Amino acid sequence: QQQVKQSPQSLIVQKGGIPIINCAYENTAFDYFPWYQQFPGKGPALLIAIRPDVSEKKEGRFTISFNKSAKQFSLHIMDSQPGDSATYFCAAKNNAGNMLTFGGGTRLMVKP
Amino acid sequence: NAGVTQTPKFQVLKTGQSMTLQCAQDMNHEYMSWYRQDPGMGLRLIHYSVGAGITDQGEVPNGYNVSRSTTEDFPLRLLSAAPSQTSVYFCASRLRQGYEQYFGPGTRLTVT
Repeated sequence: QQQVKQSPQSLIVQKGGIPIINCAYENTAFDYFPWYQQFPGKGPALLIAIRPDVSEKKEGRFTISFNKSAKQFSLHIMDSQPGDSATYFCAAKNNAGNMLTFGGGTRLMVKP
Repeated sequence: NAGVTQTPKFQVLKTGQSMTLQCAQDMNHEYMSWYRQDPGMGLRLIHYSVGAGITDQGEVPNGYNVSRSTTEDFPLRLLSAAPSQTSVYFCASRLRQGYEQYFGPGTRLTVT
């Protein structure tokens, strides 16, 4: 049973486009929502994260939008570049737990 | 700082063989964990540890053992390998009071 559902599984955009990756969760005890970026042959690395007391967070070209009532959050990549081609994972952490629950991942390709 | 290191990078096993995947971190992190990554399934937690001498099961613990005799090391043992354990394995660590998890480069395991 996957507690964090991520979509789409794959995404292709042109350079300069704005890919959007969505995640939904059920557990209202989650209190930390990170996004990880993974390049082929490497481990995931933290990209950006948000807590449920804010609705949006921006870091450079990456933005998380958070909708607490809908239990959904999404990653937007502004002015996407071929170097952004990677697999992206959303995740959530329970305020009473120790570890992260991950979504299924989205493989993004940005065409030049 | 080497961060989180994993060995070996690749491994092929026959069904029924045993082996140990090594993980070490030099950041003095209390929390360490093992994940497996399978296509479309994201990263699933196998076992984790909140400190030396303390381990607990994650989402998919069957067929795997762990121990944590030191803060730095967290080996994962496969007692009798099965084809279903073919996967990419990632070790991760973080501070007790922190949220960001640091991942190793992964071990690609194939069981024939």
